[in-house]
Amino acid sequence: DSGVTQTPKHLITATGQRVTLRCSPRSGDLSVYWYQQSLDQGLQFLIQYYNGEERAKGNILERFSAQQFPDLHSELNLSSLELGDSALYFCASSGQGSQETQYFGPGTRLLVL
Amino acid sequence: GQQLNQSPQSMFIQEGEDVSMNCTSSSIFNTWLWYKQDPGEGPVLLIALYKAGELTSNGRLTAQFGITRKDSFLNISASIPSDVGIYFCAGHGPNDMRFGAGTRLTVKP
Repeated sequence: DSGVTQTPKHLITATGQRVTLRCSPRSGDLSVYWYQQSLDQGLQFLIQYYNGEERAKGNILERFSAQQFPDLHSELNLSSLELGDSALYFCASSGQGSQETQYFGPGTRLLVL
Repeated sequence: GQQLNQSPQSMFIQEGEDVSMNCTSSSIFNTWLWYKQDPGEGPVLLIALYKAGELTSNGRLTAQFGITRKDSFLNISASIPSDVGIYFCAGHGPNDMRFGAGTRLTVKP
């Protein structure tokens, strides 16, 4: 158990809908990262937040957004969903330094029908 | 972001054999990490390397941070069936973290 929690574990929705994925980092970690992993693919970095502020942006679509709240939990919002958005979405957290090791949550499996 | 070059893509080995996989990059990194991912689960950290030339072991796993800071390898000795999974390398640069595409390991009993 990495100490990072994600909810829900599974999510099934329809095209055009909007969903919110939630992540709670390890106790004391200030950074939260979001990744997308499509079937049999590697991890694609989406976005990083550090202590409530956006720190780095990767291959995140305009239809997607995220935020980190004062209690350090984070949410990833996916809107106008398309079939190709079906994937595993992972959250990871790390400590204070930018080089701190990332610990991953169990992921949310999103299926868009 | 740009992926690291990880090889091989997949390996099929007999139980008891040793395994070696590596990652290379055109950029230098300050930290190299190796993760293992079981199907439907999140990646789990196996080994973290923080200094060029560092050689670190974790049980049957050994990893090294290349002296050029542009590569790393992971060795698994005396493989067992539970070693099955996808192994990812990751490199921490000054501003980002990049992942390899993964090595899918199959171990035949």
